[in-house]
Amino acid sequence: DSGVTQTPKHLITATGQRVTLRCSPRSGDLSVYWYQQSLDQGLQFLIQYYNGEERAKGNILERFSAQQFPDLHSELNLSSLELGDSALYFCASSVGTSLSTDTQYFGPGTRLTVL
Amino acid sequence: TQLLEQSPQFLSIQEGENLTVYCNSSSVFSSLQWYRQEPGEGPVLLVTVVTGGEVKKLKRLTFQFGDARKDSSLHITAAQPGDTGLYLCAGAQGAQKLVFGQGTRLTINP
Repeated sequence: DSGVTQTPKHLITATGQRVTLRCSPRSGDLSVYWYQQSLDQGLQFLIQYYNGEERAKGNILERFSAQQFPDLHSELNLSSLELGDSALYFCASSVGTSLSTDTQYFGPGTRLTVL
Repeated sequence: TQLLEQSPQFLSIQEGENLTVYCNSSSVFSSLQWYRQEPGEGPVLLVTVVTGGEVKKLKRLTFQFGDARKDSSLHITAAQPGDTGLYLCAGAQGAQKLVFGQGTRLTINP
């Protein structure tokens, strides 16, 4: 158990819909990261927040957005869903800000299926 | 085009054998991380290497960062069934970019 929690565990929805994935970081961690893992693209870094502010941006689509709240939990919003958005979405957290050297602890993931 | 190429993609060997997984790129990275992921779980960080030529050991696992910081290798000695999993390398470029290899799916047969 990494200490990072993600809800829901599974999500099934239809094309065109909007969903929200939730992440609670480990106690004391200020950074939250979001990743997408699919069979064809592998694991891709989407975005990082540190203490409520966007810190780094990866391959996040314009249809996707994220935020980190004052209690440090984070939400990833996916809208106008397409079949290709079906994937595992992971949240990770770390104490500091460095994408390069901080140890990131990954949650168990949310499996999104778009039908 | 994959920025980080991992090889092999699949590897199935017998318990007790040695193996090496490679992570190659034409780009320079400020650090290189190795993760192991088991089915139904998130990746777990094994090691981070930051200096060209650096070698780190974690029990039977040896990690090396290339001198030019463009490639890395993971060597496992006397593999055990518990080493089975998906091994991922990830290269960081500064504070804004982190890219992952496609992964090596390793199976150790008893």
